Order: sequence, then structure tokens, then C-alpha cells
Amino acid sequence: EDQVTQSPEALRLQEGESSSLNCSYTVSGLRGLFWYRQDPGKGPEFLFTLYSAGEEKEKERLKATLTKKESFLHITAPKPEDSATYLCAVQEDGGSNYKLTFGKGTLLTVNP
Amino acid sequence: NAGVTQTPKFRVLKTGQSMTLLCAQDMNHEYMYWYRQDPGMGLRLIHYSVGEGTTAKGEVPDGYNVSRLKKQNFLLGLESAAPSQTSVYFCASSYSTRPLDTQYFGPGTRLTVL
Repeated sequence: EDQVTQSPEALRLQEGESSSLNCSYTVSGLRGLFWYRQDPGKGPEFLFTLYSAGEEKEKERLKATLTKKESFLHITAPKPEDSATYLCAVQEDGGSNYKLTFGKGTLLTVNP
Repeated sequence: NAGVTQTPKFRVLKTGQSMTLLCAQDMNHEYMYWYRQDPGMGLRLIHYSVGEGTTAKGEVPDGYNVSRLKKQNFLLGLESAAPSQTSVYFCASSYSTRPLDTQYFGPGTRLTVL
């Protein structure tokens, strides 16, 4: 069973059409949840870290939120340049707490 | 600062050949990591290092070796490449303690094993 599940696998939006991406996780204790953006042929680019339920972070048109079992990446009035794959990763508390477990990502396409 | 750099960017090997991928970071990070990314699999940790002279196995270490002789460099070696090692390899680095423990990734190396 996957520890980190992202949905949907792919999302197609029109420019300006707001939506949310979901990341659900099943680790017993969460040390941190990370969101990354990955453009084709590039490495993941860090967006946000969330550490505790109720925490929110914002950057331009993106807002990340965290509950005890999932995180949402809200995209408000997206632009074509927001098209990318968005990756979620969790870091489990205790033991080898450096390790990131990644989801498979959500491919976002924003059409003009 | 260049951040995390990787060489080479692309490489094609024949089965059984060996090669070394180089990762360098200029952020004075203690931790460094090697991941592979395959379609439909997500990023998976191969090996990692918590400091100069240390290495440890990650989730998928078989067929790979690593060395960290200098704090800023982390090398990934394939002694006898297999087609199953065709993948995109990413290096990452981080500080060890919160809230500075975000992992920063390099641009990747695309490896094809024929």
C-alpha cells in the first residue's frame, strides 16, 4: 500500500479556473510534508514545507494546507506557466527521519 | 550559488559497462541523497549520506555504490549496468535540522542502458 497518494493523476484547467490537488498520506507520525514542482526534463523545485495540521503556506497563486491525513495544493486563477507536475512527499517522524517518500505526482496542464 | 549540480546530463551505456555520476553542492549541506525517477513509480531513494565519509542504503540500493569523500560531493557508481537501471537520476542535498531540512534537487542525469 502506497504511503503517499496523489490525486488526480492528471488535471487539465482553463486559464483562470481555480482547483485543488490532493495528497493523502498514511505514515504514523508526520515530521513534515513537502510540495515540489517539476517541469519536464528538470529536477523537482521546492515549493512548501508543512509541519503540523492546520498550517497553511502561500506563494503567488499557490496555497498549501495540511490536515492530519492529507494536504491540498490550491491553485487560484492559474496561468499557463503553472503547467507542471506537482509532487508531494512526506517525512516520517522517528528513526530515519531524513527520508522522503514521494507520491507519483499530479500533471497539471493549464490551457490559455 | 550554483546549488546542486550533476554531471553528466545524459549518458548511454551498454549492459555490463560501468560509470560514475557526480553530484556537487555549494550550500554546505550535511546530507546528500541519490534518487531515481521512473514513469509511474515516483522518486525512490537509492543511497544517502549524513556527512563526509558516511553512506547508507536507501529504498532501492542494489546494483549501486556511493562515496562521499568530500562534504560537497556525492558520487553514484554503477559497476555493471543493467537495462533495469535505465532511469533519470537526481541528487539532492539538505541541512540536517528543521526548519532548514528541505531537500534541494539537481537537474538530473538521464541514463539509458542498452
